[in-house]
Amino acid sequence: DVKVTQSSRYLVKRTGEKVFLECVQDMDHENMFWYRQDPGLGLRLIYFSYDVKMKEKGDIPEGYSVSREKKERFSLILESASTNQTSMYLCASTQGWRAHEQFFGPGTRLTVL
Amino acid sequence: AQSVTQLDSQVPVFEEAPVELRCNYSSSVSVYLFWYVQYPNQGLQLLLKYLSGSTLVESINGFEAEFNKSQTSFHLRKPSVHISDTAEYFCAVSVPEGGFKTIFGAGTRLFVKA
Repeated sequence: DVKVTQSSRYLVKRTGEKVFLECVQDMDHENMFWYRQDPGLGLRLIYFSYDVKMKEKGDIPEGYSVSREKKERFSLILESASTNQTSMYLCASTQGWRAHEQFFGPGTRLTVL
Repeated sequence: AQSVTQLDSQVPVFEEAPVELRCNYSSSVSVYLFWYVQYPNQGLQLLLKYLSGSTLVESINGFEAEFNKSQTSFHLRKPSVHISDTAEYFCAVSVPEGGFKTIFGAGTRLFVKA
């Protein structure tokens, strides 16, 4: 069974802290994505990666960075967390160069105090 | 650029009643269309998809959606809902030749009442 896992389901951090969100997929997918989900706004793409060490900005990259050192792992980094980054963060992966079905992790609900 | 509009943010319905969740998209090129479902405290999972061929697609749990190119719509329907269908539903679009990006709608929260 295909699987995308995220390191934490719930996370509480303080303003200014550096935050790492980890995502691992076991499907050997080339492409991985980080979204944030907010009520009424749906999913907004933060960053994506189509290969190891490759990354592309999505629609809302400000305040975030990413790292992909291994094919199966894609990390989202909040360099200095702010309260407006309180959100649900979803990781996803896909196979191939066409945007077919995305496989999602369970999400990390991040609260920044 | 592509966009997706889900016309209803919340849809309350009684158990065993029919339901339709509306989705319209805009695109100047051909698209792939998806419906994803998110149950409480879970990630999204694919419900059904249209890539090509028959314009009516079905899921294993009784949902169906019809691709209407002239109306640029991909509405999701179920003739009789269950309590367990309570979830948030997201319509999404991607462009076959447009790389990896998928654009998601804002979501429709379906409440099924006993």
